[in-house]
Amino acid sequence: EIVLTQSPGTLSLSPGERATLSCRASQSVDSNYLAWYQHKPGQAPRLLIYGVSSWAAGIPDRFSGSGSGTDFTLTISSLEPEDFAVYYCLQYGNSPYSFGQGTKLEIK
Amino acid sequence: EVQLVQSGAEVKKVGASVKISCKVSGFTLTDNHMHWVQQAPGRGLEWMGLVDPRDGETIYAEKFQGRVTITADTSTDTAYMELRSLRSEDTAVYHCATSRPYDMLTYWGQGTLVTVSS
Repeated sequence: EIVLTQSPGTLSLSPGERATLSCRASQSVDSNYLAWYQHKPGQAPRLLIYGVSSWAAGIPDRFSGSGSGTDFTLTISSLEPEDFAVYYCLQYGNSPYSFGQGTKLEIK
Repeated sequence: EVQLVQSGAEVKKVGASVKISCKVSGFTLTDNHMHWVQQAPGRGLEWMGLVDPRDGETIYAEKFQGRVTITADTSTDTAYMELRSLRSEDTAVYHCATSRPYDMLTYWGQGTLVTVSS
């Protein structure tokens, strides 16, 4: 089973700043099947990025994904107030699927 | 429009079982895999397992293996998750989600709160 480790656990930034979130896998993720989700309290998680760097439908281009193998990054170029949430990475290239433990992005 | 509508909140005793449903519409159940994800208080999202509705084949996370059963009823377009031998730490919101086979989870249900008390 692949273990995903996200860092930092909490990221405190201000609107307009750039956010960089990391997701590291315990072994290489097959076919770069790595996705990112945004999760707000009381809502279903929202798919942002899949296949490391492809945007899901309706996702603004201030969100971008990069990486390969075992190291992946989600970047939010300029934070909007609605971007403050918890972010999870998911690997779906190896069975069983697994999520990272999440990064909480909070307003500074 | 794709919709996944889950059954309502449950309160169970330690040691009991719970079975949650997820009624889907807007897509053909057999074209997709159905997943269940646990979100416990203070903890993140945890993938529990999936079912392939075409043949009922399942894959479970090691943590839940032996206590969870995920099924799908193609006649009613409904997926189910049963969790047995409930513990207090199973208190959580449980989400169903769908994906194309072996693809990322795309559409999610609204979540079902399960409270386990002694």
